[in-house]
Amino acid sequence: GQNIDQPTEMTATEGAIVQINCTYQTSGFNGLFWYQQHAGEAPTFLSYNVLDGLEEKGRFSSFLSRSKGYSYLLLKELQMKDSASYLCAVRGSNYQLIWGAGTKLIIKP
Amino acid sequence: ETGVTQTPRHLVMGMTNKKSLKCEQHLGHNAMYWYKQSAKKPLELMFVYNFKEQTENNSVPSRFSPECPNSSHLFLHLHTLQPEDSALYLCASSRIDSTSGANVLTFGAGSRLTVL
Repeated sequence: GQNIDQPTEMTATEGAIVQINCTYQTSGFNGLFWYQQHAGEAPTFLSYNVLDGLEEKGRFSSFLSRSKGYSYLLLKELQMKDSASYLCAVRGSNYQLIWGAGTKLIIKP
Repeated sequence: ETGVTQTPRHLVMGMTNKKSLKCEQHLGHNAMYWYKQSAKKPLELMFVYNFKEQTENNSVPSRFSPECPNSSHLFLHLHTLQPEDSALYLCASSRIDSTSGANVLTFGAGSRLTVL
């Protein structure tokens, strides 16, 4: 079967760095996405990786290793507004997205 | 404003009621989607419409009936629902270009449905 695994919940301190991991087993791979979803709001696109390596976008970076079926989202200089759920999704062989259950990130002062 | 608007934001209905959820996008996208989001579960794709034609129906019960009158509007008609159908229903849109680029989904804020 197809599966996306990510931690259910993580806690970090304001100003610190946090890494949210995502591992996947899918039939085919056509890209990996990270979305951010604040409580009661729409998921919003953060990053897209299709080749191995690190993609940096401001305080957020996303890494992909296709051979390991592994990605992480790195958030630096954490702010209280980064408290949200982070969703990992893989586009499989049929070009539809397979979603993880999301990681709820709690930022403490 | 995300560019995708969903109404109503909250809906409470009995098991015998008939109601509809509405989604509207003015992003020039040509694909629209319905997803179900339950607590601590992955997003479940329900329906996909490309250029107003339904291309995906992921074994969704017939008590959920989608309608896509044009590329900008999408409805989800609900009837004789069950309490386990209570969830957040998310609408999304994208450009159809699945063979190249990110083909990013733009989501609405969702309709929170409670079935009593």
